[in-house]
Amino acid sequence: EAQVTQNPRYLITVTGKKLTVTCSQNMNHEYMSWYRQDPGLGLRQIYYSMNVEVTDKGDVPEGYKVSRKEKRNFPLILESPSPNQTSLYFCASRTGAGELFFGEGSRLTVL
Amino acid sequence: GQNIDQPTEMTATEGAIVQINCTYQTSGFNGLFWYQQHAGEAPTFLSYNVLDGLEEKGRFSSFLSRSKGYSYLLLKELQMKDSASYLCAVSPDTGRRALTFGSGTRLQVQP
Repeated sequence: EAQVTQNPRYLITVTGKKLTVTCSQNMNHEYMSWYRQDPGLGLRQIYYSMNVEVTDKGDVPEGYKVSRKEKRNFPLILESPSPNQTSLYFCASRTGAGELFFGEGSRLTVL
Repeated sequence: GQNIDQPTEMTATEGAIVQINCTYQTSGFNGLFWYQQHAGEAPTFLSYNVLDGLEEKGRFSSFLSRSKGYSYLLLKELQMKDSASYLCAVSPDTGRRALTFGSGTRLQVQP
């Protein structure tokens, strides 16, 4: 089954404690992306990757890092989380036609 | 810059027809997508328009006018399960950036 898998689905952490949200896709898509979703603001792109070892900033990259060492994986790293990073995060991969396939979401709370 | 506008909330009655509008102003255009998102879940693909006109898919249809920067999603024979948020998203170009999303329209279907 074609899917995007992200973990953890739910996480409560404290300010400053580094965390990583993993993302994996099995569709051999070259393009992957991270979004955050906040009430009233919609989905905003954090980082994206056109291919292995190629990453670039989206609209709201501050406080985040990513890496793309393998085609299937695109982890999101919060080196020092802060409360304003409390959000619902979605990983997505993209077909050649531009359609995005989303993971199930990771709800992060930073205290 | 990118700007996508859609109504925040709409209410409709089971069995009726509802039209959700979306206007956009983007620096480039390579297609418009509609996604459905149930509360707490990932967005799922509904439709894609790249040329002017109406695309019909079962109970859902989507229309695009590129000259007016306008699209709508038409839902017929509404069912209770159609209660969800509907996200309008524009693909600004074929390359680097992924979709830019509107804030979404929350549709409530009433008996």
